[in-house]
Amino acid sequence: EIELTQSPGTLSLSPGERAILSCRASQSVISSYLAWYQQKPGQAPRLLIFGTSNRATGIPDRFSGSRSGTDFTLTITRLEPEDFAVYYCQQYSRPPLYTFGQGTKLEIK
Amino acid sequence: QVQLQESGPGLVKPSETLSLTCAVSGGSISTDNWWSWVRQPSGKGLEWIGEIYHSGSTNYNPSLKSRVTISVDKSKDQFSLKLTSVTAADTAVYYCAGDGRGGYNLGYWGQGTLVTVSP
Repeated sequence: EIELTQSPGTLSLSPGERAILSCRASQSVISSYLAWYQQKPGQAPRLLIFGTSNRATGIPDRFSGSRSGTDFTLTITRLEPEDFAVYYCQQYSRPPLYTFGQGTKLEIK
Repeated sequence: QVQLQESGPGLVKPSETLSLTCAVSGGSISTDNWWSWVRQPSGKGLEWIGEIYHSGSTNYNPSLKSRVTISVDKSKDQFSLKLTSVTAADTAVYYCAGDGRGGYNLGYWGQGTLVTVSP
């Protein structure tokens, strides 16, 4: 089973700053199989990025995803107040199995 | 736009069976999508439980496979989850979800329903 380790656990930033969230996989992950979600308190997760770098419908272009080897990154440029939330990375592997990272909490500094 | 809505008891006794249903609206369950269940204990992360295709094919998380059954009712555009022999560790918000563009991700989510396991 592929494990995903997200860092940092908590990230404290101010609106207008840039956020860089990391997700490291324990084994190689196919780019198409890596996604990012945003979750706010009391809400279901919302898909932000699929296939490592593709924005989901309606997601602003300040959100972007990239990879370097087994390291995946979610970057949020110019943080807006509504961006403060918990972010999860997710991978899909065979046998069919979705696994999630433990999450990064992005909080207002 | 596909919408999902979970329903079922919010309280289940230990050793009994948790049963939830997810209604799919704004589209047919018989599209080329897999439909999943995901759970989240309070204050913790996300755990994928399993998925089903409209043909009835299923895949389950190995850690839960012995206790989980997911089924589909195409006539009602619904799919269901049964989790047997529940304990307090199964207390969580349960979400139904559907895969999104490109597959291999969960693009559609229900609002979630809290299930508490308690005597």
